[in-house]
This record gives sequence, structure tokens and C-alpha cells, in this order.
Amino acid sequence: GPKVLQIPSHQIIDMGQMVTLNCDPVSNHLYFYWYKQILGQQMEFLVNFYNGKVMEKSKLFKDQFSVERPDGSYFTLKIQPTALEDSAVYFCASSFDWGTSAETLYFGSGTRLTVL
Amino acid sequence: QQQVRQSPQSLTVWEGETAILNCSYEDSTFNYFPWYQQFPGEGPALLISIRSVSDKKEDGRFTIFFNKREKKLSLHITDSQPGDSATYFCAAQGGRALIFGTGTTVSVSP
Repeated sequence: GPKVLQIPSHQIIDMGQMVTLNCDPVSNHLYFYWYKQILGQQMEFLVNFYNGKVMEKSKLFKDQFSVERPDGSYFTLKIQPTALEDSAVYFCASSFDWGTSAETLYFGSGTRLTVL
Repeated sequence: QQQVRQSPQSLTVWEGETAILNCSYEDSTFNYFPWYQQFPGEGPALLISIRSVSDKKEDGRFTIFFNKREKKLSLHITDSQPGDSATYFCAAQGGRALIFGTGTTVSVSP
């Protein structure tokens, strides 16, 4: 099936530093998402992105977070500065459609972020 | 506020038995309910989904039963196999972000 690739699979960073998580979505998909998962628990929605803009974001998407997809390349999540509570697995997802009850989100394998 | 709840948190069944996973929601605008399967170290993958206009959806050994009035649904895994051991997430959407439940971890013993 369609593949979403996330790079790197694991990143360790010191608190206060900046980190960028990269996602290579399915090639013909138009909508992009980030979810946060702590300790294999609930998947929590962070943000979705379409046509160069944030469509919707949750309370978890703090001011220190930003997303972009420059020139149709990687879809990125940047955290600057990082905090201890940002330690989690971040999943990128993409879909061809959105909000029509007919779209399917395809997820990557996640990037495990550890903030020391 | 937890919009999508799942029970039980974990479940162990013998191979060949039926596993029943429960899900409930609060937002009456939700009209699309996918179930995702997640194996350790991987991202969740769509398993089966249902729209609120239906009360049942079947795909092989996996069946969703949906009760709109009570805002409840369940996933039945018949003839459970060891390969079904995973965490299952109920999710809900109503024209906005896809919201995931708390998950049920299923272990199938041979």
C-alpha cells in the first residue's frame, strides 16, 4: 500500500534546542497531518496542513511548533525550543482527501523524540 | 475531555475465540468511524471503517457494529489469530480532525 516515510526514526536532543522532524508523504496526497503518541497510548492530533496552510490545530500544537512543506518536498514539524514534555513518538500522516468521511489517513512509522 | 473512549484497555483471548472491542463517543457530529491497527514500532494502519448511516460493516474476520442512538460501536474479531495481537484504535471524524480513542491492546494466545 501507499507508504509514508519518516526521517529519522529516533532523535535525541537537549532541552531548549531546535528539532525538525521530516516526513515524505504519499506522492499524490494533498493533506498532511502530525499526531503525537506517548508510551504507545492514545494518538493525539496536533495539526493538519493543506495547500501551504494550517487548516486546524489542537491545543497541543504550542507556539513553539511550526509546520511547512517547502516546494512540495518534505512535510516538516519544527519544535523550537524543545521541552521535556515534547518527548514522544510523532507520527506523520497524509491523505488524498479530507473531511468527507471518505478519506483514509496513511501513517508513517513515527519518529521517537527524546528530549533530555 | 475525552471524546472517544475505548474498553477494555487490554484483552487476552485464545486462538480461535472472538475478541470484542468497545468504543463510545460524545460528539453527535461524528459520522465516520475508522478502526486502526497498530503493531509495536509501527504507525497505525486502517483496518476497517463504517459511516454513521450503516449499523454493520464486515470485512473478513473483522466486523463493526454501530449504534448511533447510544453513540457506541464495537469491533468483533472472529477466529482470532496470534497475528492479530496488536493495539486497536477506534477513531471518529465529523468534518474536522480525526480523533483517536485510547486504544485496546489485544493479545491472542496460541
